[in-house]
Amino acid sequence: KNEVEQSPQNLTAQEGEFITINCSYSVGISALHWLQQHPGGGIVSLFMLSSGKKKHGRLIATINIQEKHSSLHITASHPRDSAVYICAVSFYGQNFVFGPGTRLSVLP
Amino acid sequence: EPEVTQTPSHQVTQMGQEVILRCVPISNHLYFYWYRQILGQKVEFLVSFYNNEISEKSEIFDDQFSVERPDGSNFTLKIRSTKLEDSAMYFCASSETGGSRTGELFFGEGSRLTVL
Repeated sequence: KNEVEQSPQNLTAQEGEFITINCSYSVGISALHWLQQHPGGGIVSLFMLSSGKKKHGRLIATINIQEKHSSLHITASHPRDSAVYICAVSFYGQNFVFGPGTRLSVLP
Repeated sequence: EPEVTQTPSHQVTQMGQEVILRCVPISNHLYFYWYRQILGQKVEFLVSFYNNEISEKSEIFDDQFSVERPDGSNFTLKIRSTKLEDSAMYFCASSETGGSRTGELFFGEGSRLTVL
């Protein structure tokens, strides 16, 4: 069965800290997405990647295909980064499987 | 910026009633999806839709559910004979590409369904 795991489940950080959220998956994929779910429930796509690294502002996403692992990094974290971060994986020819999410709280 | 819109934002219904959730995907997108998130749980795939037909569905998407694209813009999810366990947030999403080359997903704000 195609599984997606995330760690940590919950994360509390002080404003300004560097944050890393991890995602691992069980079999080969065609793409991996990092999503942000706001406290109100809305979901926003942050990154889609199938190899290497992408950067957008203070966010960096990396993926290691051989190790079946991806990380989302947030530099200089801010309270507005508080949200649930979700890793979603597209297995070849199949639809997305979502990870359980990582709840991030950034304290001022 | 183009966005996916969903209506209603919240619907309360009695058990056994039928519910229709509506979505307007981004206009040049060809692939449409419905996802469900029960409170406190992870997002689950329900169904994907392309070229006016279902391309893939999960085991959750049984005969109680149906999807339709009644016109060129709307994409609907119908839930017949609702049950208490259907209470969840339902998200519509669309993408420009799909299948094994699924592109970036754009999500709507969600429709919260409460079944009493």
